[in-house]
Amino acid sequence: AQKITQTQPGMFVQEKEAVTLDCTYDTSDQSYGLFWYKQPSSGEMIFLIYQGSYDEQNATEGRYSLNFQKARKSANLVISASQLGDSAMYFCAILGGTSYGKLTFGQGTILTVHP
Amino acid sequence: DTGVSQDPRHKITKRGQNVTFRCDPISEHNRLYWYRQTLGQGPEFLTYFQNEAQLEKSRLLSDRFSAERPKGSFSTLEIQRTEQGDSAMYLCASSLARDSQETQYFGPGTRLLVL
Repeated sequence: AQKITQTQPGMFVQEKEAVTLDCTYDTSDQSYGLFWYKQPSSGEMIFLIYQGSYDEQNATEGRYSLNFQKARKSANLVISASQLGDSAMYFCAILGGTSYGKLTFGQGTILTVHP
Repeated sequence: DTGVSQDPRHKITKRGQNVTFRCDPISEHNRLYWYRQTLGQGPEFLTYFQNEAQLEKSRLLSDRFSAERPKGSFSTLEIQRTEQGDSAMYLCASSLARDSQETQYFGPGTRLLVL
């Protein structure tokens, strides 16, 4: 079984500042993938970034980077230079090697970017 | 490259009625997933297809729910005898089995309200 915990219900950040969204996970699988998705108020889940359990380097995609600490079972999302359009709900999710395609999501963190 | 599409985007129905949702995945994707998301929660896995075969079903998928993917392309999710507790966002996602990350790309969702 997989579990994702996102302990920050809401976060606020000033435009152009960096923000870190926390995610811890639990799995018994040796091989797994961690994903972050953004969900604006329109409802669509937008894929942001992926980290594989065997990847030695932290993943980066433009302004998004993933701070992966395997021993601590954490996969925090860092958004640099926040923009007003980053205001949305952010979900961390895990796909275990034995999950047969089933993504397990956390509760999400609402990010609000202030001008 | 067109993304995942879902129809309808919104559905209001009366308790006891049947509803059917459609999902068209990204054209070359052979895996298709259905999730349900209630207000303030992360999406929860319902079921998953590889080509036309339904390989995994959640216990959330009661006998009132049925999903099909008859030709391995689009999929339908039918809810019979709807209940107020079925009110939720129904999300469809697709992925490519050859993709080592198995990133799931989501559609815009269908918001269901059962009165």
